[in-house]
Amino acid sequence: RKEVEQDPGPFNVPEGATVAFNCTYSNSASQSFFWYRQDCRKEPKLLMSVYSSGNEDGRFTAQLNRASQYISLLIRDSKLSDSATYLCVVNEPAAGNKLTFGGGTRVLVKP
Amino acid sequence: DGGITQSPKYLFRKEGQNVTLSCEQNLNHDAMYWYRQDPGQGLRLIYYSQIVNDFQKGDIAEGYSVSREKKESFPLTVTSAQKNPTAFYLCASSSGHSTPGEQFFGPGTRLTVL
Repeated sequence: RKEVEQDPGPFNVPEGATVAFNCTYSNSASQSFFWYRQDCRKEPKLLMSVYSSGNEDGRFTAQLNRASQYISLLIRDSKLSDSATYLCVVNEPAAGNKLTFGGGTRVLVKP
Repeated sequence: DGGITQSPKYLFRKEGQNVTLSCEQNLNHDAMYWYRQDPGQGLRLIYYSQIVNDFQKGDIAEGYSVSREKKESFPLTVTSAQKNPTAFYLCASSSGHSTPGEQFFGPGTRLTVL
C-alpha cells in the first residue's frame, strides 16, 4: 500500500464550479499535512497547510480527518488558472521531518 | 532575488556515463533535498542534507551520490549504477524559519538516458 494515495484524475471542472478531492495516508503517526500545487513541467509550490480544525484560504478549503486518515481539498468558483496537479504531502517529524508526496490529482478547469 | 537554481534544465546522457546535476540556493537554508519524479508519480526522496558536511540517504539512494561541502550547494551525481535514470530531478531547500513542511523547489533538471 502506498504511504500517500490520491486519485490521479483528471477532474474536468467547468469554470465557476466547485471541485473536491481527497488523499489518504497510511501512517497514523503522521503529524503535519499539506497541499502543494504543481503546474505542468514545473516545480511544486506550497498551496496551503492543513490544520486539524480545517482551514480556508480564499477559494480553497482544506480539511483533515485523523480518524479515517484522509485530507481533502475543495476549490470553489474554479478559475482556468486553477488547472494544475495538486499534490498531497505528509510530514513525518519522527523520520527527520521527511515529506512524503502523493502522486497528485490533476484538475482541468474548462470554459 | 533569492531562490534555488538548477542546471542544466535538460540533460542527455549515454548509458554507462556518470552525470552531475547542479543545485545552488541563496536563501541561507540549512536543509537541502533531492527528489526524482517519474510521469504520473509523486516525488521520491533520493538524498537530503540538514547541515553542511552531513547528508542521509532517502528512499531511493541506490545509484546516486551527493556532497554538501558548502551551505549553498548540493550537487547530485547520477552514476552508471542507477538502472532507470531517466526522470525529472528536483532540488529543494528549507529552513527552521519556514512554514513547517514548506520546501522551496528549484525548476528541475530533466535527465534523459539515450
